[in-house]
Amino acid sequence: EIVLTQSPATLSLSPGERATLSCRASQSVSSYLAWYQQKPGQAPRLLIYDASNRATGIPARFSGSGSGTDFTLTISSLEPEDFAVYYCQQRSNWPPEITFGPGTKVDIK
Amino acid sequence: QLQLQESGPGLVKPSETLSLTCTVSGGSISSSSYYWGWIRQPPGKGLEWIGSIYYSGSTYYNPSLKSRVTISVDTSKNQFSLKLSSVTAADTAVYYCARLPVVVVAPHYYYMDVWGKGTTVTVSS
Repeated sequence: EIVLTQSPATLSLSPGERATLSCRASQSVSSYLAWYQQKPGQAPRLLIYDASNRATGIPARFSGSGSGTDFTLTISSLEPEDFAVYYCQQRSNWPPEITFGPGTKVDIK
Repeated sequence: QLQLQESGPGLVKPSETLSLTCTVSGGSISSSSYYWGWIRQPPGKGLEWIGSIYYSGSTYYNPSLKSRVTISVDTSKNQFSLKLSSVTAADTAVYYCARLPVVVVAPHYYYMDVWGKGTTVTVSS
């Protein structure tokens, strides 16, 4: 089983600041890495897939990078609506399973 | 616009079977371009993939839940369903259904691009 680790667990920032979130895989996942945003009481929303491709309708301030085992989600300038929990997710070829990281909470400083 | 809606009992007794249905509207569940899946989230915790199904009936399950999970599809009703047997309090969670675009490399599913709003299931006597 591929384990995803996210850091930091909590990131306290102010609106307008840059957020850098990390996701590390226990073994290579190539570029099969996605990022989601989840706000309280809501379903997750896909932000990034294939490590760096923005999903439909996602603002350009969200960007993803990395490959292999180390990945980064960057929010270039935090808007008030960006304070949320962010999860990374991968899928492995065998066993054919999907796993999520534990999440990073971005809260207002 | 594609929408997914979960439905089913909000309360299930321990040792019984949890049954949920996801109704797909605004698109066809028989599309060859998508898998369909279930994901859950215990209160205050992270996300856990339960399993995925293709319109043909091919299924993949989380190994940790495989012995208790059955996912099925009903193309005539544009629905897919989840059954989780022998539930305990640890199965209390918000259950989401989602769409997974088909990708080239096996197992051909990967990320979830459309989600239902989720339904809360509590396991309690």
